[in-house]
Amino acid sequence: EVQLVESGGGLVKPGSSLKLSCVASGFTFSSYGMHWIRQAPKKGLEWIALIYYDSSNKYYADSVKGRFTISRDNSKNTLYLEMNSLRSEDTAMYYCAKGFAYWGQGTLVTVSS
Amino acid sequence: DIQLTQSPSTLPASLGERVTISCRASQSISNSLNWYQQKPDGTVKRLIYSTSTLESGVPSRFSGSGSGTDYSLSISSLESEDFAMYYCLQYATYPYTFGAGTKLELK
Repeated sequence: EVQLVESGGGLVKPGSSLKLSCVASGFTFSSYGMHWIRQAPKKGLEWIALIYYDSSNKYYADSVKGRFTISRDNSKNTLYLEMNSLRSEDTAMYYCAKGFAYWGQGTLVTVSS
Repeated sequence: DIQLTQSPSTLPASLGERVTISCRASQSISNSLNWYQQKPDGTVKRLIYSTSTLESGVPSRFSGSGSGTDYSLSISSLESEDFAMYYCLQYATYPYTFGAGTKLELK
């Protein structure tokens, strides 16, 4: 059974940094591209980043480009999202997804002073 | 960026009714479209991929169709567990984009 478990969310101040993790199990993690998707409170879904199975390519939404970095450690079956220069508009539930087929339950990031 | 216009934003419907949700892209997306269901607890489930392929385990009352810029999700006979939010997603071009969502609610 595919499982994706996000962690690392919390309450942070504007301008600060945070690193999210997503631990995968139930499939061969190193064979799949992985995504981060977020959802602001009472809003729709927003795709924010993709990393290829071998980290050879990474793509970002304009809203996070230059501030967020997606990475992975295939030896640990773990996906990461490093978030810098956080803004209030980054407040959201952050989901990781295996190739868009399976999603985790999300981790909440709140950016507020 | 490709914009996805999803309609209606809210869809009141009754048990047993057939409903259709539309997703229109600002340019052709060559069938690179998925449909998702999101429950109130936040759980997201893929229902349809590549426009019309039903995800394993998803009931056959769900179906998808479309081409070019116009796509749709249909539910043939609504059951209680179908009342939820629905989103389309295009993955033809970066950045990938979602529709704004349709809330399927009990009339």
